[in-house]
Amino acid sequence: SFVLTQPPSVSVAPGKTATIACGGNNIGTKSVHWFQQKPGQAPVVVIYFDSDRPSGIPERFSGSKSGDTATLSISRVEAGDEADYYCQVWDQTNDHPFGGGTRLTVL
Amino acid sequence: QVQLVQSGAEVKKPGASVRVSCKVSGFSLSDLAIHWVRQPPGKGLEWMGSFDLEDDETIYSQKFQGRVTLTADTFTDTAYMELSSLRSDDTAVYYCLTETLLYWGQGTLVTVPS
Repeated sequence: SFVLTQPPSVSVAPGKTATIACGGNNIGTKSVHWFQQKPGQAPVVVIYFDSDRPSGIPERFSGSKSGDTATLSISRVEAGDEADYYCQVWDQTNDHPFGGGTRLTVL
Repeated sequence: QVQLVQSGAEVKKPGASVRVSCKVSGFSLSDLAIHWVRQPPGKGLEWMGSFDLEDDETIYSQKFQGRVTLTADTFTDTAYMELSSLRSDDTAVYYCLTETLLYWGQGTLVTVPS
């Protein structure tokens, strides 16, 4: 099955830009979604279909893809952005795996 | 507004089955597919499968194929996830969500003591 690789943790200072990578073979050919999960809460989609942002998600969140890597970028990071972030792909083989998750720490 | 309300926590013995329900409102199960995702304590998210009434299509993750069954009752607009042959590593919070990814249930904790 398709495997997605994320760094376990990313740290960033407030006001800076955080980037979280999601690697997978030919990920450029698949739809990528990004979820934010805070402790004790259900996940929330922050980017879907590669780069679309749902209503209510700040413009500071953006998604991109290049080659075998998808990237979630969070500009002007705030303390409230501290959370776990997961990527997911919708694969043509009809499997929709998640990455292992990245803990974003705001210093 | 759109809501997904799941059934309460369950404690099951190893080898048993569990059925989690997900009652939807604000839309019909005929309009949107329902996905199921689980999260073991302290671990990441795992996609289990999806049920699409409109396209009459059910897709299961290879990991759960043969153990999970997704169904729905259109009269009550309730989706169901049944997992059989439970093991201790099936202990997790189970979520239903819409195919739009925007709406999630509150989660159901299923505990299988070892």
